[in-house]
Amino acid sequence: NAGVTQTPKFQVLKTGQSMTLQCAQDMNHEYMSWYRQDPGMGLRLIHYSVGAGITDQGEVPNGYNVSRSTTEDFPLRLLSAAPSQTSVYFCASNTRDTPVLFFGPGTRLTVL
Amino acid sequence: GESVGLHLPTLSVQEGDNSIINCAYSNSASDYFIWYKQESGKGPQFIIDIRSNMDKRQGQRVTVLLNKTVKHLSLQIAATQPGDSAVYFCAESAGGYNKLIFGAGTRLAVHP
Repeated sequence: NAGVTQTPKFQVLKTGQSMTLQCAQDMNHEYMSWYRQDPGMGLRLIHYSVGAGITDQGEVPNGYNVSRSTTEDFPLRLLSAAPSQTSVYFCASNTRDTPVLFFGPGTRLTVL
Repeated sequence: GESVGLHLPTLSVQEGDNSIINCAYSNSASDYFIWYKQESGKGPQFIIDIRSNMDKRQGQRVTVLLNKTVKHLSLQIAATQPGDSAVYFCAESAGGYNKLIFGAGTRLAVHP
């Protein structure tokens, strides 16, 4: 199993540009989520999904959209990038039986 | 380079010593606690977990202690090795298993 995969690994955007961060998992996990990690602040939940077709907001959802059309994929869309969205983004998945998350390798995003 | 964790508290230990990393949690309703290890440039990696009906759990070289009275969690690492150098996060779940609340993290530096 590849586990949780994320692409791209690095990305630089200009303010106002849009992009999609890709996330896929091959463990057949029901739950998937997106976190952002900023210096000294731990990880904060952006959006999460408990199954295909079901998504909900986390702690810091503004400026981001998600969709979950399949169990395997959970892309994160930045509609109009802002410098405040410069961060490291982690996708994670878990089963409904435990809150233990399995994380992807992360995407380091810089917005100029 | 690694920008996450610039302002984290740091625990410095000698190789072979035991390490104790502490975490305070805020939600008395949290019923599941997890410790993660994050190496530079990588996603968080699961170390050990504990449910709220337990006060101690042991793994390989690691022990987690939970004190619900004072809402405190600790991770003990025995015979600390250079490979243990990383940032360590505690996380709590207050039910639902679809979101975790993360602490800010502690950097562990192991010196030969």
